[in-house]
Amino acid sequence: AQKITQTQPGMFVQEKEAVTLDCTYDTSDQSYGLFWYKQPSSGEMIFLIYQGSYDEQNATEGRYSLNFQKARKSANLVISASQLGDSAMYFCAMNSGGSYIPTFGRGTSLIVHP
Amino acid sequence: KAGVTQTPRYLIKTRGQQVTLSCSPISGHRSVSWYQQTPGQGLQFLFEYFSETQRNKGNFPGRFSGRQFSNSRSEMNVSTLELGDSALYLCASSRGTSGSGTYNEQFFGPGTRLTVL
Repeated sequence: AQKITQTQPGMFVQEKEAVTLDCTYDTSDQSYGLFWYKQPSSGEMIFLIYQGSYDEQNATEGRYSLNFQKARKSANLVISASQLGDSAMYFCAMNSGGSYIPTFGRGTSLIVHP
Repeated sequence: KAGVTQTPRYLIKTRGQQVTLSCSPISGHRSVSWYQQTPGQGLQFLFEYFSETQRNKGNFPGRFSGRQFSNSRSEMNVSTLELGDSALYLCASSRGTSGSGTYNEQFFGPGTRLTVL
């Protein structure tokens, strides 16, 4: 069975500062994929970034980067230079074992202060 | 490329009624998944359809059903509504054919917010 844990229910950050959102995962599969999604108050889940278990480099997409530490089974999302529009729920998710259905964490609510 | 669309965006129903939600995936995507999101339970997987067949199913009662049409559009039906069915229902589309399945990026629609009174 696969499991995603997000231990931070809520996070606050000052505008223009960097913030790290934690995600740990558990799977017995060697091949898996890790995803981060953003969900604004409007409800739509927006794909941010993907990391494959065999990728040697940490994934980056603009201001988003994924700090992938395989031995520790962690896949933290780093948002650099936070903007007010980054205020949202953030979900970590994982596919493994050939399943097309990701397992989602409970999410972290991020609030960016001006 | 048009995104995933869901209709209606908002619904208000009363207990005992039934409801049908619709989802149109991104062109070329053959997989459609449905999720229920509530504050208490988080995001829960309902079922996934691929090429008109239910390929995966979550742990929901039989009142929740779905189908997929030949154009990949999908509908979800909930019969005999209960108060606890009030939730945001999200639809996600993906190619659904990524080899090992590890990279199967899902694109979500805006959701249908269902309120059961």
